[in-house]
Amino acid sequence: GENVEQHPSTLSVQEGDSAVIKCTYSDSASNYFPWYKQELGKRPQLIIDIRSNVGEKKDQRIAVTLNKTAKHFSLHITETQPEDSAVYFCAASIGQAGTALIFGKGTTLSVSS
Amino acid sequence: KAGVTQTPRYLIKTRGQQVTLSCSPISGHRSVSWYQQTPGQGLQFLFEYFSETQRNKGNFPGRFSGRQFSNSRSEMNVSTLELGDSALYLCASSLSGPGVGYTFGSGTRLTVV
Repeated sequence: GENVEQHPSTLSVQEGDSAVIKCTYSDSASNYFPWYKQELGKRPQLIIDIRSNVGEKKDQRIAVTLNKTAKHFSLHITETQPEDSAVYFCAASIGQAGTALIFGKGTTLSVSS
Repeated sequence: KAGVTQTPRYLIKTRGQQVTLSCSPISGHRSVSWYQQTPGQGLQFLFEYFSETQRNKGNFPGRFSGRQFSNSRSEMNVSTLELGDSALYLCASSLSGPGVGYTFGSGTRLTVV
């Protein structure tokens, strides 16, 4: 069945460094790829998303790149800050008209000052 | 603008019982999706409803069911509870599906003892 693999599962960086999280997906019909941030005890929140007709999207310190041929997409966070510490999930749309999301297992990002 | 509201926030049930969880989407949102979140499996798609119709269903046993009312509010039901059903159940709503403004609620924490 459809699958999204996410790496790494944990990532520790120093404040100010960059962080990169990578995901691969299996469903070639997927056309929407969001990223969610979930802080401890809170709900997942959408931080950035990209559609299949776009190769890259940037929003301040966060950027996402998509390679449809290779079926992988990545999240890039620059100038990391302690408040970036959280679990990050990638996802890909699946199913009829993309009416569902399949999520990666998550990456726990720790930013130390 | 009120967010996605899930009730109750916490629930403790005994094996074999059944449970009903409720989700009120953002006003105007017609798509409601349900996800199960566990430490081991991450976020897993349960089902998606749009205008009272189930458009997509995940790979869960028939004990898991849901419905959507004409006001877009949704409920999910789990019958014959098992210990493994202990999880955070998240509801998300959007105007038309996961690709557009997908917002999660804070979830219902279900513990089965």
